[in-house]
Amino acid sequence: DIQMTQSPSSLSASVGDRVTITCRASQSITSYLNWYQQKPGKAPKLLIYAASSLQSGVPSRFSGSGSGTDFTLTITSLQPEDFATYYCQQSYNIPRTFGQGTELEIK
Amino acid sequence: QVQLQESGPGLVKPSETLSLTCTVSGGSISGYYWSWIRQPPGKGLEWIGYIYYSGTTYYNPSLESRVTISVHTSKNQFSLKLTSVTAADTAVYYCARAATHGMLFFDYWGQGTLVTVSS
Repeated sequence: DIQMTQSPSSLSASVGDRVTITCRASQSITSYLNWYQQKPGKAPKLLIYAASSLQSGVPSRFSGSGSGTDFTLTITSLQPEDFATYYCQQSYNIPRTFGQGTELEIK
Repeated sequence: QVQLQESGPGLVKPSETLSLTCTVSGGSISGYYWSWIRQPPGKGLEWIGYIYYSGTTYYNPSLESRVTISVHTSKNQFSLKLTSVTAADTAVYYCARAATHGMLFFDYWGQGTLVTVSS
């Protein structure tokens, strides 16, 4: 299985901050990497697919980059509704695997 | 707007079979992969498997011996069966659509249903 490791596991930030979350794969997954946002009691929501493509309807303050084994999710100018848990997920091979999550909290 | 809704028992006894159904509305089940993903309370996400609308399945090897996913195109539904459950199978179970854009990603999700395994 491909292991997905996110860092940090938790992060405190303020409204208006720029934050970056990192996801590392245990082997190359080219650009087969997706990012999701999950709020408490809700289903995950797709933010970014194919490492850097913004899902329709997702604000442009979210962006993704990377290829191979190292990827980042960047949120510019944090908004109150962005405080949530973020997961990366690889679609390179079976089984599909997720990172352990990064909890973004209000400072 | 595509919507997914999980249904099934919220309590299953140990060693029995967990059965869930996902009903898709607002779009056709044809042309897509359909998936089950679970999340134990307070933990991360685990992919269970996919089914293509034609019936081809892909399972997580860690669950493959206990999992069956099937599709019912005439009803716009797909379903999950997980046999011989234990407390470790207690989780929120999500159904999701897997869209393709050269790769698969989960673009629509159900709200999730909590299944507790307990006697």
